[in-house]
Amino acid sequence: AQSVTQLDSQVPVFEEAPVELRCNYSSSVSVYLFWYVQYPNQGLQLLLKYLSGSTLVKGINGFEAEFNKSQTSFHLRKPSVHISDTAEYFCAVSDSTSGTYKYIFGTGTRLKVLA
Amino acid sequence: NAGVTQTPKFRILKIGQSMTLQCAQDMNHNYMYWYRQDPGMGLKLIYYSVGAGITDKGEVPNGYNVSRSTTEDFPLRLELAAPSQTSVYFCASGQGGAYEQYFGPGTRLTVT
Repeated sequence: AQSVTQLDSQVPVFEEAPVELRCNYSSSVSVYLFWYVQYPNQGLQLLLKYLSGSTLVKGINGFEAEFNKSQTSFHLRKPSVHISDTAEYFCAVSDSTSGTYKYIFGTGTRLKVLA
Repeated sequence: NAGVTQTPKFRILKIGQSMTLQCAQDMNHNYMYWYRQDPGMGLKLIYYSVGAGITDKGEVPNGYNVSRSTTEDFPLRLELAAPSQTSVYFCASGQGGAYEQYFGPGTRLTVT
């Protein structure tokens, strides 16, 4: 079965500094990868997704992620963060091994942007 | 479009009580999901549905039941509430596979 590991539970970073949030997944023949963001007291919303093709995926709010098949990673990056990026970020993988599409979520990384 | 709606937003239950969390979507999505979110644990799948009349267990189904009589609605039933069911519950819908999931705003449930 698929699994997703987010290596950092919390990441503090100063405003305008770059940030990388790490995500690793277990190997699968067919995999779709997602990053979601959750602002306080809200549901999750999609930042970006990787389906196929170019390994560098661009999303909303200046975020991007790189799919690395050999390292089974899908790390999220932003070159310059803002206070408003403070939120929890979840990596997810779509598991098609059972024939129906379930999503496996990581445990989340809480990004705290400091002034 | 309202997207995915959930009611209630907050609820306090006593141990042993029952309740139904409501979820509705207006995007004509076949797939619907119920998750619970606990601090530091991410989202755990409780139940999911691939269409009206079809449901299946997720990772943590014990103590819950679901039904899917229409495409739009996917209620989650808690029988005999226990403190371990204190959590934030999210409903989501989507088209499965490569498509994103759309989340509701959540229901914060406390069982005391």
